[in-house]
Amino acid sequence: AQSVSQHNHHVILSEAASLELGCNYSYGGTVNLFWYVQYPGQHLQLLLKYFSGDPLVKGIKGFEAEFIKSKFSFNLRKPSVQWSDTAEYFCAVNGVEYGNKLVFGAGTILRVKS
Amino acid sequence: EPEVTQTPSHQVTQMGQEVILRCVPISNHLYFYWYRQILGQKVEFLVSFYNNEISEKSEIFDDQFSVERPDGSNFTLKIRSTKLEDSAMYFCASSGGDVRDPYEQYFGPGTRLTVT
Repeated sequence: AQSVSQHNHHVILSEAASLELGCNYSYGGTVNLFWYVQYPGQHLQLLLKYFSGDPLVKGIKGFEAEFIKSKFSFNLRKPSVQWSDTAEYFCAVNGVEYGNKLVFGAGTILRVKS
Repeated sequence: EPEVTQTPSHQVTQMGQEVILRCVPISNHLYFYWYRQILGQKVEFLVSFYNNEISEKSEIFDDQFSVERPDGSNFTLKIRSTKLEDSAMYFCASSGGDVRDPYEQYFGPGTRLTVT
């Protein structure tokens, strides 16, 4: 069965620090990969996605992620975080062979100190 | 920008009661989904719906749950007899309106269901 692992449940950073959130998946097929963000009191919003092509994808608000197929990873990065990046971040995977449902990781709560 | 909407935002119900959660997906989308997130846990898939029928469901989606698209715009999730463990945030999502981007799912704001 497909699964998604996020390495850290809680991350605390100071403003301007660099961010990397780990995501690994277990999936036997062609995958689509996503990072969603949930700001406090708000709904899930798509940060970025990978379907095919360039494994380095850029999303909104300065976020990027790199798909490394050999490592089954899709880590999220941002060179310099802001206080407004405080949120919960979810990695998710789906694939045509598995009916398109999204399988989510457990989420990483990021707190940025100002 | 088109968005998925959900009503109500918060529903409180007593154990054993029926609840209906409502969603209006993005109008040209073809695939519809329900997910739930129990407090402190991960977002879990419940069911997907395409062409007026369930295309996939998880083991959570037992006989107490049903989905319907009654009028071509609304997409509803019914829980026939709620249990305490049904307390969660329920998210509706839709996808498939763009043949170039069929897999991106757009989420609604969620309905927080509290069963007492």
